[in-house]
Amino acid sequence: RKEVEQDPGPFNVPEGATVAFNCTYSNSASQSFFWYRQDCRKEPKLLMSVYSSGNEDGRFTAQLNRASQYISLLIRDSKLSDSATYLCVATTSGTYKYIFGTGTRLKVLA
Amino acid sequence: GAGVSQSPSNKVTEKGKDVELRCDPISGHTALYWYRQSLGQGLEFLIYFQGNSAPDKSGLPSDRFSAERTGGSVSTLTIQRTQQEDSAVYLCASSSGTDSWWYTFGSGTRLTVV
Repeated sequence: RKEVEQDPGPFNVPEGATVAFNCTYSNSASQSFFWYRQDCRKEPKLLMSVYSSGNEDGRFTAQLNRASQYISLLIRDSKLSDSATYLCVATTSGTYKYIFGTGTRLKVLA
Repeated sequence: GAGVSQSPSNKVTEKGKDVELRCDPISGHTALYWYRQSLGQGLEFLIYFQGNSAPDKSGLPSDRFSAERTGGSVSTLTIQRTQQEDSAVYLCASSSGTDSWWYTFGSGTRLTVV
């Protein structure tokens, strides 16, 4: 079992739709979590950090559920430019090593 | 520099040859990381540098892979006797080492072994 798991998708949604991705992690010692966005043939870029209290940035909301060991990303009012692969990341205490999920591919359709 | 710079951006090599991939991190960033992304796969950790030392090299897949960092700056990842399964995008990232959860990635080196 992978340490960080994501549904690979693709999620095909119309413009304006709300879409949510989940990511589960198996290591209960994981402490920090992030969502990265990766466009085709480009490097990953930080989208947002994930906090237990939730984190909102415009149309994007990230949540952490430690009890169930998952994080989520909600995108409201999807834009064509949101089409990308979204990578879930977990890190553990005492290490700077990121553990990446394989990514969830989103396609926003006109 | 302004960002993490990697070179070459693309490399095609013949099976059995050695290759060197270079990463120039953001100036002042003490932590440097190498990851590998194979087609359709997630990012796989290879090695972590803090300054010039590598406290975690657990992800290097075989003894054909080695990496070094000099002057607390530029890092080189060397793959000896390349195999077709080494074909992947090799990504380098750096972080400040203080606010160190936040990686900045370079644009990667796309390695193709033929």
